[in-house]
Amino acid sequence: QTVVTQEPSLTVSPGGTVTLTCASSTGAVTSDFYASWFQQKPGHAPRALIYATNIEHPWTPARFSGSLFGGKAALTVSGVQPDDEADYYCLLYFPGAQLVFGGGTKLTVL
Amino acid sequence: QVRLEQSGPEVKKPGASVKVSCQASSYILTSYGFTWVRQAPGQGFQWLGWVGSESGNTNYARDFQDRITLTADISTSSSYLELRSLTSDDTAVYFCASGQYHFYYYLLEVWGQGTTVIVSS
Repeated sequence: QTVVTQEPSLTVSPGGTVTLTCASSTGAVTSDFYASWFQQKPGHAPRALIYATNIEHPWTPARFSGSLFGGKAALTVSGVQPDDEADYYCLLYFPGAQLVFGGGTKLTVL
Repeated sequence: QVRLEQSGPEVKKPGASVKVSCQASSYILTSYGFTWVRQAPGQGFQWLGWVGSESGNTNYARDFQDRITLTADISTSSSYLELRSLTSDDTAVYFCASGQYHFYYYLLEVWGQGTTVIVSS
């Protein structure tokens, strides 16, 4: 059973920078995992932010960026705003055309 | 931007089947597909599978491939999820998402509002 792990929670101050990570139980995450990132606020459907590791959707605010860092996929939010308080989920592609979500990170802006 | 509209909430008994629909507000390109995921109460997401909007080709999560069917109707820009042999563990909000094919899978670009499915005796 493949497990994708994210930090359960992170706290950041307004205006600060925070990096969320996404790890695979199978080993290092590379560009071949085509990591995607989503934001979900309570009671709402998710919103897509990043795909294929570091490609932003047209609607993605510029302060969100994706990368690979230390064998994990990463989502960095620079200049955090109060509106960024939400749950963030990563999604990884695995051989055999299977996709697995991470457990999510609750981001608090305080 | 296209919007996805899903069918209303469902309450089912254990052992029954459920069918959830998802319709795009405008024409879906033939290169697009529909992906279905679910979110149990207070939990994260579970990927269920995808279906190509024109090809009808499907790819299912291994845990569900024996009791799930995804279909698509390009003429109505719609997709349908059927899940059979329901148990209480299937109680969740089911989401459809649509997006273009990118390398090996369909992106989850635009999401529906979600459909609550409750399985209870």
